[in-house]
Amino acid sequence: GNSVTQMEGPVTLSEEAFLTINCTYTATGYPSLFWYVQYPGEGLQLLLKATKADDKGSNKGFEATYRKETTSFHLEKGSVQVSDSAVYFCALSDMDSSYKLIFGSGTRLLVRP
Amino acid sequence: DVKVTQSSRYLVKRTGEKVFLECVQDMDHENMFWYRQDPGLGLRLIYFSYDVKMKEKGDIPEGYSVSREKKERFSLILESASTNQTSMYLCASRSGTAGNNEQFFGPGTRLTVL
Repeated sequence: GNSVTQMEGPVTLSEEAFLTINCTYTATGYPSLFWYVQYPGEGLQLLLKATKADDKGSNKGFEATYRKETTSFHLEKGSVQVSDSAVYFCALSDMDSSYKLIFGSGTRLLVRP
Repeated sequence: DVKVTQSSRYLVKRTGEKVFLECVQDMDHENMFWYRQDPGLGLRLIYFSYDVKMKEKGDIPEGYSVSREKKERFSLILESASTNQTSMYLCASRSGTAGNNEQFFGPGTRLTVL
């Protein structure tokens, strides 16, 4: 079945450090891929998405490229801020059911000043 | 902007009680979802609804039921709450337009069952 695997956290970085959060997926067909972010005490917000191979999603300085050859969608940011501290979820659209998203387990990011 | 609201941010119930969690969206979305979020497990889908009065089981429906009498409202019901249902519950909605997979989430309800 379809699945998403994320690197385990927490990831702890100093402000202005480079961030990578790894995400790989298993899916049939060509799913859309998403990164959602959850700030403390809040629900999930869409951070970025990509709908086909080689697409790059970007938002708020974050980027991720849909790599079909490596079945990956790694999240990157060149210089993190304290305000980026949150839990990040990678997700894919379930091609067997167009309604559903399948989420990874989430990666907590803590950025220290 | 899409707004998804949930009736409570925090809820404390006793074992055996019947619990209602309410979710309302204001963007006329066809599809609505209930998830539970537990540490290390990510989000797991409990139930979803693709239209009024229509529902489908998700990955973990046991112990839960749902109701969708109006398009904007989707209720999650715990018929007899148990301690293993202590969790964060998240509601989401999505347009029914083909190819538009983005889901919009509410702030969550943290339920504690004693």
